[in-house]
Amino acid sequence: SQTIHQWPATLVQPVGSPLSLECTVEGTSNPNLYWYRQAAGRGLQLLFYSVGIGQISSEVPQNLSASRPQDRQFILSSKKLLLSDSGFYLCAWSFFGAFVGMNTEAFFGQGTRLTVV
Amino acid sequence: GQNIDQPTEMTATEGAIVQINCTYQTSGFNGLFWYQQHAGEAPTFLSYNVLDGLEEKGRFSSFLSRSKGYSYLLLKELQMKDSASYLCAVRDGNAGNMLTFGGGTRLMVKP
Repeated sequence: SQTIHQWPATLVQPVGSPLSLECTVEGTSNPNLYWYRQAAGRGLQLLFYSVGIGQISSEVPQNLSASRPQDRQFILSSKKLLLSDSGFYLCAWSFFGAFVGMNTEAFFGQGTRLTVV
Repeated sequence: GQNIDQPTEMTATEGAIVQINCTYQTSGFNGLFWYQQHAGEAPTFLSYNVLDGLEEKGRFSSFLSRSKGYSYLLLKELQMKDSASYLCAVRDGNAGNMLTFGGGTRLMVKP
């Protein structure tokens, strides 16, 4: 069976400090990988998604970046955090290249609650 | 890309039925998903539609009309524990099956 691990669960960081959130998936190969952010009381905002190693698409311009150094590893980074980066960050994966009708729901990690102070 | 719209908030009474609508625009539609998310937790999968019609799973049903770019989630016999956000998500087959989520509908169930 497949599992997804995301850490840390909570993080408090000062403004201007760097950030590194890590997500790994087990039990599958070549997954689609996603980073979402959710502000309090809001929906999920897609930040980055990846369909393969080294392939990153950015949906929202910001001071965050993502990398996929290995097939099942997805990293969200920032060189200098802003107050507005506070939120709930979720990593997710889904099967790649599904044919029509195949249920390829996204499976979420438990999330990281980031507070920038 | 996709444009997904759903109401921000809804209120309903315990035991009643509520319908949460979702409209979307996408170039490579390859499925629509509904997720439930309780505050502070990750979303959990509820239902999936790729063909027109109604899919029923217990108290929850989801409907899709691809020609209208429209879906709804129907919750019957509402319980207090159904108070949560409900997220509509569309999969784009032209973009590696990327999932894009709507802003979510926060449902409050009152006694």
